Amino acid sequence: QQQVKQSPQSLIVQKGGISIINCAYENTAFDYFPWYQQFPGKGPALLIAIRPDVSEKKEGRFTISFNKSAKQFSLHIMDSQPGDSATYFCAAIESMLSGAGSYQLTFGKGTKLSVIP
Amino acid sequence: DSGVTQTPKHLITATGQRVTLRCSPRSGDLSVYWYQQSLDQGLQFLIQYYNGEERAKGNILERFSAQQFPDLHSELNLSSLELGDSALYFCASSVFRDPGAYEQYFGPGTRLTVT
Repeated sequence: QQQVKQSPQSLIVQKGGISIINCAYENTAFDYFPWYQQFPGKGPALLIAIRPDVSEKKEGRFTISFNKSAKQFSLHIMDSQPGDSATYFCAAIESMLSGAGSYQLTFGKGTKLSVIP
Repeated sequence: DSGVTQTPKHLITATGQRVTLRCSPRSGDLSVYWYQQSLDQGLQFLIQYYNGEERAKGNILERFSAQQFPDLHSELNLSSLELGDSALYFCASSVFRDPGAYEQYFGPGTRLTVT
């Protein structure tokens, strides 16, 4: 059972364009939604995260939009650059699972972003 | 550099064998998480240790086990290896702070190839 559904699987964007990646979840107990960026041969790195009581969070060129009623959230990358080419994973945490102190990540399947010059 | 180290970087072994993957968390981090990344299953949570004790279990096979030692480094043991166990194995660490500090820092991973 896939608890976090991510789309698209791959995305090609022109340099300077906007990259949009979408995720949807079913488990209403999820209470934290991070995005991770992974370059080939590297481990995932935290990019930006949002709590469900906030509808939008912006950090530089990266913005998360969150729709609690629709159980959907998305990552927008403004002015996309070739250096942004990577695989992006949305994730969710149910912080009270297994008691306090357990923050296991449930990941989407990932989106491979290619930004072409 | 996340501060999380993993060894070895690559591991090639045969079916039926047993291997041990090692992880050292960031200085001060008490929690260690293990994840498996494969092409078909994506990134999946395996198990978490907090200050030496098992805290949560995910999709970890019975052939797999882990432990966290007093110096907080962790080892993931994979036994009776099958071809399907070939994957990237990541370790992540985090420090237990007040609610809201849900940041996990991932190591560079160990690529396991079972032949």
